[in-house]
Amino acid sequence: KQEVTQIPAALSVPEGENLVLNCSFTDSAIYNLQWFRQDPGKGLTSLLLIQSSQREQTSGRLNASLDKSSGRSTLYIAASQPGDSATYLCAVTQGAQKLVFGQGTRLTINP
Amino acid sequence: GAGVSQSPSNKVTEKGKDVELRCDPISGHTALYWYRQSLGQGLEFLIYFQGNSAPDKSGLPSDRFSAERTGGSVSTLTIQRTQQEDSAVYLCASSSGTGIFTDTQYFGPGTRLTVL
Repeated sequence: KQEVTQIPAALSVPEGENLVLNCSFTDSAIYNLQWFRQDPGKGLTSLLLIQSSQREQTSGRLNASLDKSSGRSTLYIAASQPGDSATYLCAVTQGAQKLVFGQGTRLTINP
Repeated sequence: GAGVSQSPSNKVTEKGKDVELRCDPISGHTALYWYRQSLGQGLEFLIYFQGNSAPDKSGLPSDRFSAERTGGSVSTLTIQRTQQEDSAVYLCASSSGTGIFTDTQYFGPGTRLTVL
């Protein structure tokens, strides 16, 4: 059974810092890995999708990497801003296209 | 264009009552998913539709839960004889269904269900 783990569970940093969120998964037979953000009381917003054959994806200040063989992904956020405060979730897609989620990292950026 | 919408946004019900939750996917999306987010369990997959068929119902927690999709569009998740442990946020997502490696799932805002 696939298990997805995110470390740390919570992170608080001052504005302007670069930071890394970690995600690991136990079964490397995945189709892709996605990073989402969730704001309080809201649904999920997709940030980046990395196909299983890819190593990384970039969008603005966000960069996500994937090492499928070791079962790891990182989300790098450059020059963090207070608006980046949210819960970040990683999820892997397995058979029948269902997503298996980690528990999330709650990020707080302090002005 | 419009995103995924869900109704109601909040539902409070009494233990033992039935509830229906509705999801309107993005127009043209053939794949639709239901997930549940609760404090103790995180985000869990419930069921997946491709068109009106449900090839994967593996996440439905009991036979009190059922879902249907009509016209390849709107979906309804029904919970019969609700229990307090059913309290959670129920999220719906849709995707184009055209490529399993590249399909991004787009989520609705969720329905917060509280069972008293």
